[in-house]
Amino acid sequence: DAMVIQNPRYQVTQFGKPVTLSCSQTLNHNVMYWYQQKSSQAPKLLFHYYDKDFNNEADTPDNFQSRRPNTSFCFLDIRSPGLGDAAMYLCATSKTREGHTDTQYFGPGTRLTVL
Amino acid sequence: AQKITQTQPGMFVQEKEAVTLDCTYDTSDQSYGLFWYKQPSSGEMIFLIYQGSYDEQNATEGRYSLNFQKARKSANLVISASQLGDSAMYFCAMREGGTQAGTALIFGKGTTLSVSS
Repeated sequence: DAMVIQNPRYQVTQFGKPVTLSCSQTLNHNVMYWYQQKSSQAPKLLFHYYDKDFNNEADTPDNFQSRRPNTSFCFLDIRSPGLGDAAMYLCATSKTREGHTDTQYFGPGTRLTVL
Repeated sequence: AQKITQTQPGMFVQEKEAVTLDCTYDTSDQSYGLFWYKQPSSGEMIFLIYQGSYDEQNATEGRYSLNFQKARKSANLVISASQLGDSAMYFCAMREGGTQAGTALIFGKGTTLSVSS
């Protein structure tokens, strides 16, 4: 059974047209992450939610926003997609446990195309 | 300087053979975690194995084992008895800062493994 679910798997949008990607999880993990992975590159963290606390990476463009309405769902909003934002977007979750470095579990990703 | 270095862009192995994927890392933290993920062409990042910096024994998970050499700062992945389904990109990743939640995984550039029959 899928534990981290991302919808849609493929998204096509037009240059400048806002787009929202969604992620849901059945693991009840308290931390949710969004990574961007461009072709033939390693994933790069955009931001994460630790419970309700939003944490932005220093070099994440303002064009990228996120919302987490509850524990299970997290959204990635791209306000004005540019051609350079075409990438795979990966959602991941983890659960903090005292004394353990928590493993991050990833969803299947959403591949975004910008026309 | 790169934090995670994977020097093998591509590796080729025959079915049923063992293969080692190299990973070296750079950190000044005493507490850190090392991970290997598999990414098939479908794009999903699949967790394979984890090694904590204080773990004295090498981690094993089924056909996967992690050859952890702390003094050399290496964390190589060994896949025994390769299968066709092992063909994928493999990423080595590190979490610094102990148990702090929300710290980014730092990924290497990946190694593409191709398994032939």
